Amino acid sequence: KAGVTQTPRYLIKTRGQQVTLSCSPISGHRSVSWYQQTPGQGLQFLFEYFSETQRNKGNFPGRFSGRQFSNSRSEMNVSTLELGDSALYLCASSLGELTNYGYTFGSGTRLTVV
Amino acid sequence: DAKTTQPPSMDCAEGRAANLPCNHSTISGNEYVYWYRQIHSQGPQYIIHGLKNNETNEMASLIITEDRKSSTLILPHATLRDTAVYYCIVRPRSNDYKLSFGAGTTVTVRA
Repeated sequence: KAGVTQTPRYLIKTRGQQVTLSCSPISGHRSVSWYQQTPGQGLQFLFEYFSETQRNKGNFPGRFSGRQFSNSRSEMNVSTLELGDSALYLCASSLGELTNYGYTFGSGTRLTVV
Repeated sequence: DAKTTQPPSMDCAEGRAANLPCNHSTISGNEYVYWYRQIHSQGPQYIIHGLKNNETNEMASLIITEDRKSSTLILPHATLRDTAVYYCIVRPRSNDYKLSFGAGTTVTVRA
């Protein structure tokens, strides 16, 4: 079956702009999580959605937001981009059950802010 | 969440077993030990998880000490493709819908 699909793979934006990243989970998976990975901070949790509801949120400013659609696809948006937002943004999907056997990650979107 | 401690790096010879240690001395009874790995420029990949019994799958074995304060991930026959950063994560079996990644162990498999 198809894996987690993230688009676009690479993106270059200018400070002050906004950006929207997309994630299509594995078919049947209802939970989608987003992570930010930078060399300095490592992998950090942004937020998690299940059935269009945000269930958990990490410690990021309000410029970072997300949503999930009825088909479980998810988008995350970053407004007023800063240079420090340059990172690899990873999406992960799971069935959403408590006893799931792990999250499946996509290959990520590499965002560069100039 | 319980914290984990892993060595920053380790080398392994191709074809030999790689034993990756992880300390989680503050783990509580309802917390699982998960292992993920991240090969350069890819998303993390789930390897295995366990609660208190040893576990084995097609990728690796997980050995958890009886007091559950530490664990070891074993890659039985390391290949060059196993070169990656390996993350040991403690996760509660509750409504905690996130993974808390540490710095992990950078494993380099050498020919």
